[in-house]
Amino acid sequence: KAGVTQTPRYLIKTRGQQVTLSCSPISGHRSVSWYQQTPGQGLQFLFEYFSETQRNKGNFPGRFSGRQFSNSRSEMNVSTLELGDSALYLCASSPGLAGATSSYEQYFGPGTRLTVT
Amino acid sequence: GDSVTQMEGPVTLSEEAFLTINCTYTATGYPSLFWYVQYPGEGLQLLLKATKADDKGSNKGFEATYRKETTSFHLEKGSVQVSDSAVYFCALSPYNTDKLIFGTGTRLQVFP
Repeated sequence: KAGVTQTPRYLIKTRGQQVTLSCSPISGHRSVSWYQQTPGQGLQFLFEYFSETQRNKGNFPGRFSGRQFSNSRSEMNVSTLELGDSALYLCASSPGLAGATSSYEQYFGPGTRLTVT
Repeated sequence: GDSVTQMEGPVTLSEEAFLTINCTYTATGYPSLFWYVQYPGEGLQLLLKATKADDKGSNKGFEATYRKETTSFHLEKGSVQVSDSAVYFCALSPYNTDKLIFGTGTRLQVFP
């Protein structure tokens, strides 16, 4: 079974631009979560989608948004990029359940490294 | 809010030494607890998990026990190898969510 894939793996953008990152979950997984990893703040939860609906959201500004498609693939978008948005963005998938459960393992992709100049 | 605290690194050990990485948590209700590992240049991999009090998670010689009375989930391994060198993250998932809250990570360096 193929793992979680993320594209692109590396991106360089300029302040003020916007960016879209893509995540393809493991086949059959319906839940996709996004995390930001930086040296200063560590790993922080952005949001989680299940069956095309945002089910949980972290404490990030509205510039960070996401969506999920009917095939469970997900995209996240960051608008008006700031230098502080430079980070490794990780996507994770899990089987999920309607009604949620905290016992499912999340499988992480390799990440997209975003550099904002 | 919910949070995870883990010991600062780096932890430097010789091969075959005993490893402990401390992790404590603050959470309402009954979270699930996890240890993830990140090898250089790679994404996160689940190492082990425990979903209720007194559960012991284990994998690849690593163990951790869910201690509700001390709100802890310390990672241990009896004999580390050079290949265990990585960053280890303790995490919790609040009850009834798929969201993960991570600790700051502990870098382990094992020398021959």
